[in-house]
Parts: sequence; C-alpha cells; structure tokens
Amino acid sequence: DTAVSQTPKYLVTQMGNDKSIKCEQNLGHDTMYWYKQDSKKFLKIMFSYNNKELIINETVPNRFSPKSPDKAHLNLHINSLELGDSAVYFCASSQGHNQPQHFGDGTRLSIL
Amino acid sequence: GESVGLHLPTLSVQEGDNSIINCAYSNSASDYFIWYKQESGKGPQFIIDIRSNMDKRQGQRVTVLLNKTVKHLSLQIAATQPGDSAVYFCAEHSGGYQKVTFGTGTKLQVIP
Repeated sequence: DTAVSQTPKYLVTQMGNDKSIKCEQNLGHDTMYWYKQDSKKFLKIMFSYNNKELIINETVPNRFSPKSPDKAHLNLHINSLELGDSAVYFCASSQGHNQPQHFGDGTRLSIL
Repeated sequence: GESVGLHLPTLSVQEGDNSIINCAYSNSASDYFIWYKQESGKGPQFIIDIRSNMDKRQGQRVTVLLNKTVKHLSLQIAATQPGDSAVYFCAEHSGGYQKVTFGTGTKLQVIP
C-alpha cells in the first residue's frame, strides 16, 4: 500500500516538450507539496497546496503549473522543458502544517 | 564522528559507533524541525522531529538536540548500523503557512 505515489518514475524527453507528473496520496492528508532535488541533492520546495488551494509558490517559473483536482491529488505540468529542469521531482503530503511530510519515491526527469 | 551541514559532506562511521550529524538552520523564527533520511532511489523518510519549545527529543536509537541560541540542530544515532547509510536532511518550518526549508544534507557511510 503505497502512501504517496508518483508517476512516472522516469521521464526522458526533449527540450521544448510539455510533460506532466502525477501524484496521489492515500493518507487522507490535507496538504501536498512538490519539491525539486538537483544533482547535488539539494531539496527545494516548489509548491504547497492545502485542501486544493495554493499556499506556497516559491519563485518557480510559470512554465510549472500545479493542479489539484481533489485533495488526494497534486499533479505537476511543465511547459517548454529546459535543460535546467533536469532533476528529481518529489511529491509529499502532510496532515496540515507543522507535521512530518510523507514523500513519494520521486520522478527523475532528464531533458535531452 | 561529527559533520557539519550546509554542503553535502560525507561522514564515515564504524559500525557500532555513534554518529552525530549537524545542521545549522537559517531562520530564528522557525518553530518546528524534522530530520529525514533519504536512501538511494527513494524519497526522504521521517526519522524524528522537535518543536521549538523543546531542546531534546529521543526516539529509538536516535536523539535530536536543538540549540535555538546558535540556530543549531543535531541528530545523534546510537550504535550505527549498515542500514543507517543514507543522506540525512534537516528541515525547518517557519511562516504562517509553513514554508519548509531543507538543509543541504549529510551523507552517512557506515563501515562494516
């Protein structure tokens, strides 16, 4: 029973393409997040949603658009992919703020 | 052995010894702190947390110490085992709806 699942696990695509990453959590949590982890393992928050509403948008280019159809899902759509978008993207969820986050296993995005 | 965070250093520890991983956090207003463990190919996994009204918290084989005066957090792992080998991150929560900032991580290598 995977608590936070992301698909796909690997995504290889060409510069300029548009792609989406899906995330679902079955923990009943109210809050979901997207993080980007670069090649040096630095982990940076991108977005935070609470009950389908955007809470945090951390100076992410507007090519990145999160969508939360319901509180169990937070998908990430990326337009016009650039080489610098290559990274591992993690989805996470928590029961409100000031609570531990549960992470998915990541989506490794490689831009050719 | 000990290490200092802020860039991904490696801490090598003999199996059975105690490990100390350090983290300097940035925001004096942060009120909740978490240590995560990230194994290769996986997402970060919650280990232990501490709130700002405490200075020490113990779990099974792990202890977190918080020194708010110098904005320092440490994770102590007793009797380190090969399964403890991973990258360890501290995370601080601050702000009205919880901006989360991760430290740069420390790689722990356990020598059998």
